[in-house]
Amino acid sequence: KAGVTQTPRYLIKTRGQQVTLSCSPISGHRSVSWYQQTPGQGLQFLFEYFSETQRNKGNFPGRFSGRQFSNSRSEMNVSTLELGDSALYLCASSPGQPNNEQFFGPGTRLTVL
Amino acid sequence: GENVGLHLPTLSVQEGDNSIINCAYSNSASDYFIWYKQESGKGPQFIIDIRSNMDKRQGQRVTVLLNKTVKHLSLQIAATQPGDSAVYFCAEKVYGQNFVFGPGTRLSVLP
Repeated sequence: KAGVTQTPRYLIKTRGQQVTLSCSPISGHRSVSWYQQTPGQGLQFLFEYFSETQRNKGNFPGRFSGRQFSNSRSEMNVSTLELGDSALYLCASSPGQPNNEQFFGPGTRLTVL
Repeated sequence: GENVGLHLPTLSVQEGDNSIINCAYSNSASDYFIWYKQESGKGPQFIIDIRSNMDKRQGQRVTVLLNKTVKHLSLQIAATQPGDSAVYFCAEKVYGQNFVFGPGTRLSVLP
């Protein structure tokens, strides 16, 4: 089975711009979660989507949003980028039961200048 | 890769020795736990999981121990190899909620 894929792998944007990141989960997995990883804050949960619905949400501002499509692929969007949004954005895929293994993709490294 | 936690606790072990990485989790209601390994430039890799109705689970060269009384999780790696050098995270979860990750421990394997 192919693993979790994320595109693009690297992205450079400037303040005020917006960005869309994409994640394709493992085949058959219906849950996709997004995380932000930074040296100062570690791994922080953004949101989880299951069957096209947001199931859980972390403590991030409304500039961070996401969606999931019927094929379980997910996108996250960050609008009005700030310097502090520079981070590794990780997507994780899970079968979807509330307590199930979660597998990560390689991440998208976003740099905001 | 991501230089997570510039001041991460570091564990240095000699190649061939056993490693024990510890994690104090925060929520007594957590009932599912995962250990992840993150190498430079990669996303976290699933190592082993354990549910709260167990206190020990073994995998290939790894053992996870769960002590719910003191909210403590440990990962034991047998015969540590250079390829085990990475940052290790524990993640806890309450049924139906999202995972919460620990700050991580950097394992350095000395030749």
